[in-house]
Amino acid sequence: GDSVTQMEGPVTLSEEAFLTINCTYTATGYPSLFWYVQYPGEGLQLLLKATKADDKGSNKGFEATYRKETTSFHLEKGSVQVSDSAVYFCALSDPSGNTPLVFGKGTRLSVIA
Amino acid sequence: DTGVSQDPRHKITKRGQNVTFRCDPISEHNRLYWYRQTLGQGPEFLTYFQNEAQLEKSRLLSDRFSAERPKGSFSTLEIQRTEQGDSAMYLCASSPLGGRGRETQYFGPGTRLLVL
Repeated sequence: GDSVTQMEGPVTLSEEAFLTINCTYTATGYPSLFWYVQYPGEGLQLLLKATKADDKGSNKGFEATYRKETTSFHLEKGSVQVSDSAVYFCALSDPSGNTPLVFGKGTRLSVIA
Repeated sequence: DTGVSQDPRHKITKRGQNVTFRCDPISEHNRLYWYRQTLGQGPEFLTYFQNEAQLEKSRLLSDRFSAERPKGSFSTLEIQRTEQGDSAMYLCASSPLGGRGRETQYFGPGTRLLVL
């Protein structure tokens, strides 16, 4: 079945450092790919998405590029802030929307001032 | 529209009691999903509805779990005879049926259940 693998956390960075969180997937066909963020005690918020190969999703300084050849969707941000501290989830779904999301286990990011 | 809402946000119950959670999706969204999230894990799919039809329920964790969406609007998730292992965050999400963005699910704040 479909699956998502994320880098293990936790990740601790200093403010203004560069962030990369790796995500690779296994799926049949051409899934849609997502990054969701979860702040403490809250539900999941959509951070960005990409629906076809070579698409780049971006939001709030975060970016991720859909790489079909490496089945990857790595999350990057050039300069993290303390307010970016959260758990980040990579996920995939069928582009028709007929299937539920399949999530990775999440990566906890802590940014220190 | 204020997004997906869930009620209650927190629930503490004793083992063996029944609990029911409510989800109100984004108003124009036909699809509604339930997920469970345990500590340190990603959300795990439970069931989903398209309008009032429950299209997938084989992933409900046991026959103690059931869900309804009687009028195709809000949904309820019920857990009967709760066990300590049911303690988790229960998340609801919704998405449109078709058109641009149909693959994107929007989540509510979740209901955190603690079974003592």
